[in-house]
Amino acid sequence: EAQVTQNPRYLITVTGKKLTVTCSQNMNHEYMSWYRQDPGLGLRQIYYSMNVEVTDKGDVPEGYKVSRKEKRNFPLILESPSPNQTSLYFCASSPRPGLAGQETQYFGPGTRLLVL
Amino acid sequence: SQQGEEDPQALSIQEGENATMNCSYKTSINNLQWYRQNSGRGLVHLILIRSNEREKHSGRLRVTLDTSKKSSSLLITASRAADTASYFCATGSWGKLQFGAGTQVVVTP
Repeated sequence: EAQVTQNPRYLITVTGKKLTVTCSQNMNHEYMSWYRQDPGLGLRQIYYSMNVEVTDKGDVPEGYKVSRKEKRNFPLILESPSPNQTSLYFCASSPRPGLAGQETQYFGPGTRLLVL
Repeated sequence: SQQGEEDPQALSIQEGENATMNCSYKTSINNLQWYRQNSGRGLVHLILIRSNEREKHSGRLRVTLDTSKKSSSLLITASRAADTASYFCATGSWGKLQFGAGTQVVVTP
């Protein structure tokens, strides 16, 4: 089944303890992206990757790191989490944005993060 | 800052009625997409309309785009309880995508 998977789905951690949220897609998509969703603010893009070894900042990159060493994986790293990073995080992928007919994004199920 | 903003923020209708929501955006676009999100779950793509299109249909969905007013509307006809969800518009290009805050739709039997 074609899908985007995220792990973990739920995470409670404490301020300053490094964590990684994994994202994997099995659709051979070139593009992957991370978003956070907060009440009343919709989704905001954190980082995105147009292809392997190519990453760019979205609208809210501060406090996050990403890497794209292989096509299928795009982990989100919080080096020193803070309470304001408590949020619902979504990973998404698409074949190739900017190319007509391939802009649709496929979303993972989300990761709920609570930073105490 | 958010590119798209949906209106209304919330909408409550009865089964069989139509639901209309609007999206306004700020800068020129190549295309505009609509997504649906069921409570706390991942977003699901509904429809994409390109800047040179004025109207598009997909099943019970009808999307319009007015680039002169920088706005789009999503119409769900003959709504069902299963249409209860939040609806988001999204604009952007070359990987950078911006979503509005969404319209929460509740369809009661």
